[in-house]
Amino acid sequence: KQEVTQIPAALSVPEGENLVLNCSFTDSAIYNLQWFRQDPGKGLTSLLLIQSSQREQTSGRLNASLDKSSGRSTLYIAASQPGDSATYLCAVEGGATNKLIFGTGTLLAVQP
Amino acid sequence: DAGVTQSPTHLIKTRGQQVTLRCSPKSGHDTVSWYQQALGQGPQFIFQYYEEEERQRGNFPDRFSGHQFPNYSSELNVNALLLGDSALYLCASSLAGGHTQYFGPGTRLTVL
Repeated sequence: KQEVTQIPAALSVPEGENLVLNCSFTDSAIYNLQWFRQDPGKGLTSLLLIQSSQREQTSGRLNASLDKSSGRSTLYIAASQPGDSATYLCAVEGGATNKLIFGTGTLLAVQP
Repeated sequence: DAGVTQSPTHLIKTRGQQVTLRCSPKSGHDTVSWYQQALGQGPQFIFQYYEEEERQRGNFPDRFSGHQFPNYSSELNVNALLLGDSALYLCASSLAGGHTQYFGPGTRLTVL
């Protein structure tokens, strides 16, 4: 059974700092991995999707890497801003029906 | 182009009651998935609908049922509500065979 873990559960950093969020999964037979952002009480916004054949994806200040063999992914946020404050969720997709299995998230607070 | 929409935004019910949540997928999408997100947790997959049939189901009791209409919109029904059913219910749409899911804003259900 696939399990997804995110570390740390919460993180507080001063504005401008670079930071890394971690995601690990137990079954390396994944189709893809996605990182989402969730603002309090809101839905999910997809940030980056990495196919299983890819090593990383970049979008603006965000860079996500995937090491399928070790069951790990990282989300790197450069030059953090207060507007980056949110919960960040990673999710893996394992099959043809595109069911997503989520971690419990990392709550990020960027202090001005 | 409207994204995924869900109604209602918030809902308060009492134990034992029944509830129906609604979802309209993103234009052109034919597959709808439902997720339950308890406070402080990642979303959990409930089920997925395609061509008006339930295609895959997560580990949820039969009290949770759904329906997909010919226009691809979907309903989630929960019978005999329990306090533990209080959560944010998220709907996601995608194209059959596609692997990018678009999430709606969610319905916050509170069971008293």
